[in-house]
This record gives sequence, structure tokens and C-alpha cells, in this order.
Amino acid sequence: EVVMTQSPATLSVSPGERATLSCRASQSVTNNLAWYQQKPGQAPRLLIYGASTRATGIPARFSGSGSGTEFTLTISGLQSEDFAVYYCQQYNNWWTFGQGTKVEMK
Amino acid sequence: EVQLVQSGGDLVQPGGSLRLSCAASGFTFSMYWMNWVRQAPGKGLEWVANIKPDGSEKSYVDSVRGRFTITRDNTENSLYLQMNSLRAEDTAIYYCAANVIGFDPWGQGTLVTVSS
Repeated sequence: EVVMTQSPATLSVSPGERATLSCRASQSVTNNLAWYQQKPGQAPRLLIYGASTRATGIPARFSGSGSGTEFTLTISGLQSEDFAVYYCQQYNNWWTFGQGTKVEMK
Repeated sequence: EVQLVQSGGDLVQPGGSLRLSCAASGFTFSMYWMNWVRQAPGKGLEWVANIKPDGSEKSYVDSVRGRFTITRDNTENSLYLQMNSLRAEDTAIYYCAANVIGFDPWGQGTLVTVSS
């Protein structure tokens, strides 16, 4: 099983600032990596796939990077609607999720 | 509008059974792999099962294999999850999700509570 580890568990950020979230895979997943956003009481929403491609309708302030075992989700100019939990997911070898990073208002 | 609408969640006793449903609309359901993903209360996401577009291949996470069965009816644009021998640790919100590259769209989720 590919284990996905996200850091930090919680990130405190002020509106307008940049948030940088990390995701590490226990073995290479090439670029088969997606990021999701989940708000309380809602289903997850696909943000990024292929490590760096934004899904349809996702604002340009969301960007993904990385390959192999190290990945980053960057949210530039954080807006109020961006405070949520973010999950990475690998789909190179079955499908596993990280444990999530909560982005909260500082 | 692309949509997945779920039903079937309930309170069930340990050892009991439940069938979840997921109705698709707004896209060509028969072309996509479909998945079930669950989320225990206050926890993260766990992939549970998926099924090939024609239903000929199915995969399960180890913890549910032999107890859960994923099926689909492409004539009804519907996905199902038959859950047998339910355990307390199966308590979760269950989501259906289509798989293109990444999981999208997702259903709204349905709560399954296993408790006596």
C-alpha cells in the first residue's frame, strides 16, 4: 500500500496570504496525484489532478507541483472560502488518501 | 447538470446488511469507472471499492473484501454497494464518485451507522 503523509496537520493563515501544503508518498507515484478540498458537511471537490493540472472551474490561485514522492499544493492569496481541509490522493497504485491538512484562519 | 444523488444510509445493527444507491445524471455514466469512498466521523477519506464501466472488473479495500459488493446498472445509470456483515468500524459517511482522472463528481454522501 502506498502511504500518503500530509503536513502540517493544521495551517493557520491570514486572508490574502499564501498557504503551502505538502504531501509525501511512501514510494514513487510519478505524477498520479490529485488534491481535493472538503468543507464541513460537504463532499470533497477535485482541485488538481496529474499533480499540477487544475480541474474545471478551479481558480488560478490554486496550483500544484511535484513528482515522484514529494508534492505541494499552493494557494496564493487565500480567500475566505478557501478555509477547509485539503487531501492529497495517489492513483498510481490503487487509490490512497493522505490524512488531510486543515487550513484555518489565523 | 452533472450529478450523483445517493440514498440508502441508515442505522443498522452489527452483523446486519444495507444497500447503498447512487443515481447519476448529466454525464454518460456507462463510460466511467465508479467508486465508493468512506469517511468515518471526524476522520479522513478511505477508498472502499470501484467497478469498471462494463461491470466486468471490481476491486475492494482489504477491510471490506468478502463483505461488500459493488455493482452497477448502466441501463438505470445507477451504482450500488451491498454491505453485509457490518461492523462498528464500518460507521461512516459513504460517497460515490466517478473516476476520470481523479474522482469527480462526488455524491452528497450518505451516513451509515452500525450500532446496537
